[in-house]
Amino acid sequence: GAVVSQHPSRVICKSGTSVKIECRSLDFQATTMFWYRQFPKKSLMLMATSNEGSKATYEQGVEKDKFLINHASLTLSTLTVTSAHPEDSSFYICSATPGTSGGELFFGEGSRLTVL
Amino acid sequence: AQSVTQLGSHVSVSEGALVLLRCNYSSSVPPYLFWYVQYPNQGLQLLLKYTSAATLVKGINGFEAEFKKSETSFHLTKPSAHMSDAAEYFCAVLNYGGSQGNLIFGKGTKLSVKP
Repeated sequence: GAVVSQHPSRVICKSGTSVKIECRSLDFQATTMFWYRQFPKKSLMLMATSNEGSKATYEQGVEKDKFLINHASLTLSTLTVTSAHPEDSSFYICSATPGTSGGELFFGEGSRLTVL
Repeated sequence: AQSVTQLGSHVSVSEGALVLLRCNYSSSVPPYLFWYVQYPNQGLQLLLKYTSAATLVKGINGFEAEFKKSETSFHLTKPSAHMSDAAEYFCAVLNYGGSQGNLIFGKGTKLSVKP
């Protein structure tokens, strides 16, 4: 199946700093990628839809100025958590689809963010 | 709008026993349904998917699921549990609404396997 790679897998940062997470589709082009956030013992909540060459579409309640998304190419989307606070600590997962997979999404390995 | 409901946040079975994880869906259009598995601190891996072909879908690792329209269900089963099956399982439906191509997930069911 298609491969999506996410980096870093774990990151610890100080409160007030910014953190960038990368999501790459390794063997296919993805015009659309999705960013999810997963709270402990909770399901995945869609944060935003990342569109190549255009602005991301954010879900209701997600602060677009805090969670900056850039879809620079057909194989790379980045999520930047700006001015991070402890409540931003979470597991962030990206996903993408080649568009020919019958709706199946391929997920990155996830990134565990801990804000001290 | 589409949604899925997973019954039981935690299921515990003995090794070798039947695994049954329940999922019910709600959809105004014929749904595309998925089961994913997540191991600790990892992303999600597709187990199987239903895309309006055969109602009994076979997936990886011996899992299968049956789409039952009359019951709006898509339960996941495995005849004999293995220790390595212990993980979190998510049922999902393809979203035809706001975020095209996005999946809407259930809350997940944690499967524990006792020796």
